[in-house]
Amino acid sequence: DTAVSQTPKYLVTQMGNDKSIKCEQNLGHDTMYWYKQDSKKFLKIMFSYNNKELIINETVPNRFSPKSPDKAHLNLHINSLELGDSAVYFCASSRGTGGSSYEQYFGPGTRLTVT
Amino acid sequence: GNSVTQMEGPVTLSEEAFLTINCTYTATGYPSLFWYVQYPGEGLQLLLKATKADDKGSNKGFEATYRKETTSFHLEKGSVQVSDSAVYFCALSDNQGAQKLVFGQGTRLTINP
Repeated sequence: DTAVSQTPKYLVTQMGNDKSIKCEQNLGHDTMYWYKQDSKKFLKIMFSYNNKELIINETVPNRFSPKSPDKAHLNLHINSLELGDSAVYFCASSRGTGGSSYEQYFGPGTRLTVT
Repeated sequence: GNSVTQMEGPVTLSEEAFLTINCTYTATGYPSLFWYVQYPGEGLQLLLKATKADDKGSNKGFEATYRKETTSFHLEKGSVQVSDSAVYFCALSDNQGAQKLVFGQGTRLTINP
């Protein structure tokens, strides 16, 4: 059973399009995250939701909008895609926040290529 | 703000060699420290962690000790295998509110037979 799953695994699209990436976790976790990994493998957090509430919103363009319909899902919508959005996007989840560092479980990633 | 710096890669070693990947951090308060590993084509997996000074995290023959005096969390393994080839990330969490992981730039490790 996949703990954190993402769809699609690969996404190739043209500049200006709108696309979504879906994430689901079956671990019963309360907190979910989106990270972006650029071409040099550098990883940076974008968003985090706890019990469907946005708790982390880093400096990300407004074109990116996360949506959490329930605790098990956190989707990422990207409007007006740009070349610089090409990256691997990772979803992650953890049991909670604060306290003694709950482990974050990562999905397999979605490789987005904007042409 | 918080930051993590890892040794530049790539690192190439022969099987059974000793491995050290350096990691230093800057943070306020008392962060928790992690090493994550990313095998080719996969997501990140937690390798080990330490939540307070002098703690030693260990897993699969890898070890790292939380050194507050030198703000370091170096990853070591006594005898590497070809299957250890991957990208290794050092990360910290400031344990305040949301669990935001701050990652180092990653170190690509290749082990030759």
